[in-house]
Amino acid sequence: EAGVAQSPRYKIIEKRQSVAFWCNPISGHATLYWYQQILGQGPKLLIQFQNNGVVDDSQLPKDRFSAERLKGVDSTLKIQPAKLEDSAVYLCASSLVSLPYEQYFGPGTRLTVT
Amino acid sequence: EDKVVQSPLSLVVHEGDTVTLNCSYEVTNFRSLLWYKQEKKAPTFLFMLTSSGIEKKSGRLSSILDKKELFSILNITATQTGDSAVYLCAAKSSSNTGKLIFGQGTTLQVKP
Repeated sequence: EAGVAQSPRYKIIEKRQSVAFWCNPISGHATLYWYQQILGQGPKLLIQFQNNGVVDDSQLPKDRFSAERLKGVDSTLKIQPAKLEDSAVYLCASSLVSLPYEQYFGPGTRLTVT
Repeated sequence: EDKVVQSPLSLVVHEGDTVTLNCSYEVTNFRSLLWYKQEKKAPTFLFMLTSSGIEKKSGRLSSILDKKELFSILNITATQTGDSAVYLCAAKSSSNTGKLIFGQGTTLQVKP
């Protein structure tokens, strides 16, 4: 079974630039999550989708972050414009609707904002 | 505000030692407590605990939940260098489907 795919694996940008991350969940997983993990901290949920609808985006900084999952499969997370404090690993995870606690994580994208 | 706190933040042991990792939580409408192992980047699921006092075991790893005192422990016996990782615990609230509140993690280093 293929796991959660993410790209790119690494990205370095300057502040005020924009960046986009892509995630393809495990086939059949209707729920998709984006997490931000700052060095030395646990992952923090940014946004949760069920199919193509948003379930929770309460911790998404909406003035600069946006995410979409138009066809209910893969998803993109965008930051525009980036700030230094956005440097982190961005993890995508997916799960079955019936087993929301069993989240399978992708390898993550390490973003460095200089 | 919901929060999950882990201790210690880091731990260095030698192969063969037994370690105990701690996780305390304050979560509204608590439903379950999960443990993950994070090597390099992607966390991998270890255990989910819902009921107090029932130990979950997988090989040399075991975990238990105390819902009265609001904490969980993860034990690793006969540690190996491959156990070196960040161990994350996360609490799930019944008020948000699937939303996990993570602790900051415990970094375990097992020396040969």
